[in-house]
Amino acid sequence: DTAVSQTPKYLVTQMGNDKSIKCEQNLGHDTMYWYKQDSKKFLKIMFSYNNKELIINETVPNRFSPKSPDKAHLNLHINSLELGDSAVYFCASSQEEAPGSEAFFGQGTRLTVV
Amino acid sequence: AQTVTQSQPEMSVQEAETVTLSCTYDTSESDYYLFWYKQPPSRQMILVIRQEAYKQQNATENRFSVNFQKAAKSFSLKISDSQLGDAAMYFCAYKYPGTYKYIFGTGTRLKVLA
Repeated sequence: DTAVSQTPKYLVTQMGNDKSIKCEQNLGHDTMYWYKQDSKKFLKIMFSYNNKELIINETVPNRFSPKSPDKAHLNLHINSLELGDSAVYFCASSQEEAPGSEAFFGQGTRLTVV
Repeated sequence: AQTVTQSQPEMSVQEAETVTLSCTYDTSESDYYLFWYKQPPSRQMILVIRQEAYKQQNATENRFSVNFQKAAKSFSLKISDSQLGDAAMYFCAYKYPGTYKYIFGTGTRLKVLA
């Protein structure tokens, strides 16, 4: 039973399109994240949500809009896709109330903008 | 601001030998948590080991152990009896409670030679 699942795994789309990535966790965690991994494998936080509330927005262009309908879901919508948005996007979750708990990651979505 | 540095972009080790991956970090906090994650070619991020900063004892998980030097802000990972399946990207990560984010280093690619 997958702990953090995100869909789709692969996404190829043209510049200017709008796309969404969905994420769900079944761990009962209170915090969810979106991380971006670039071509050099650097992992950078984009957003974090705690109990559906946005906590961190790490200077991400406003073309990226996360939405958390409930504690178990965090989706990422991207408008007007650009070539530079090509990357692997990871959803993750953790229990912020349990200090020292690790983040659990989804399998990542490889987004390719052509 | 907290930062995490991994100075070895790539390391190689012979099968059955021991290898140490380096990680340093910068923080003014005293109680925090450190993690090593493994990312194989499948992209899945897998927790290898964690360390609580308030514990002097180095964490160990089977063939994986850390050398945690709090004063030097150093957190290296030792892999003993290296196996082909250990080949992956390894990321060091820092977490301070209540910050709602894990800060990752740039990663070290480990190659295991048969």
